[in-house]
Amino acid sequence: DSGVTQTPKHLITATGQRVTLRCSPRSGDLSVYWYQQSLDQGLQFLIQYYNGEERAKGNILERFSAQQFPDLHSELNLSSLELGDSALYFCASSPRLAGESEQYFGPGTRLTVT
Amino acid sequence: AQSVTQLDSQVPVFEEAPVELRCNYSSSVSVYLFWYVQYPNQGLQLLLKYLSGSTLVKGINGFEAEFNKSQTSFHLRKPSVHISDTAEYFCAVTPRGNQFYFGTGTSLTVIP
Repeated sequence: DSGVTQTPKHLITATGQRVTLRCSPRSGDLSVYWYQQSLDQGLQFLIQYYNGEERAKGNILERFSAQQFPDLHSELNLSSLELGDSALYFCASSPRLAGESEQYFGPGTRLTVT
Repeated sequence: AQSVTQLDSQVPVFEEAPVELRCNYSSSVSVYLFWYVQYPNQGLQLLLKYLSGSTLVKGINGFEAEFNKSQTSFHLRKPSVHISDTAEYFCAVTPRGNQFYFGTGTSLTVIP
């Protein structure tokens, strides 16, 4: 158990809909990362927050957005969903901003868009 | 720009045999290097990391990796694999900054 929690575990929704994925980092970790894992794209970095502020952006679509709240939990919002958005979405946390600290991954949210 | 190449997408190996999973990276700046393992239906878990110092890094579960700066490689090795090592392995680099770059993964299958 990494100490990172993600809800829900599974999500099935229809095209065009909007969903929110939630992540609670390990106690004391200030950085939160979001990743998308799909069979054809592998593990893709989406976005990183540190202590409430966006710090790095990867391959995140404009239909997707995220935020980190004062209690450090984070939410990833996916809108106008398409079939291709079906994937496993991971959240990871780390204690600091810099890259020398490892990331602790949550169990993931499996999103299925039908 | 940074990139990570895992040269083998699938590696089958017999139980108790040695294994090497290859990882090459490209970067114009110094990087930190990581290997993660993902067991079925689970998140990623850190195996080992290289930040500085000795180029031979030992991790959990008997794995080790060697950083080779001239060849920009960070290959993962284990002298004797077990059935429980069957999993997906990811190499990752970060240019000492915020963003992590992951390879596409190597699926290790240990054959009894």
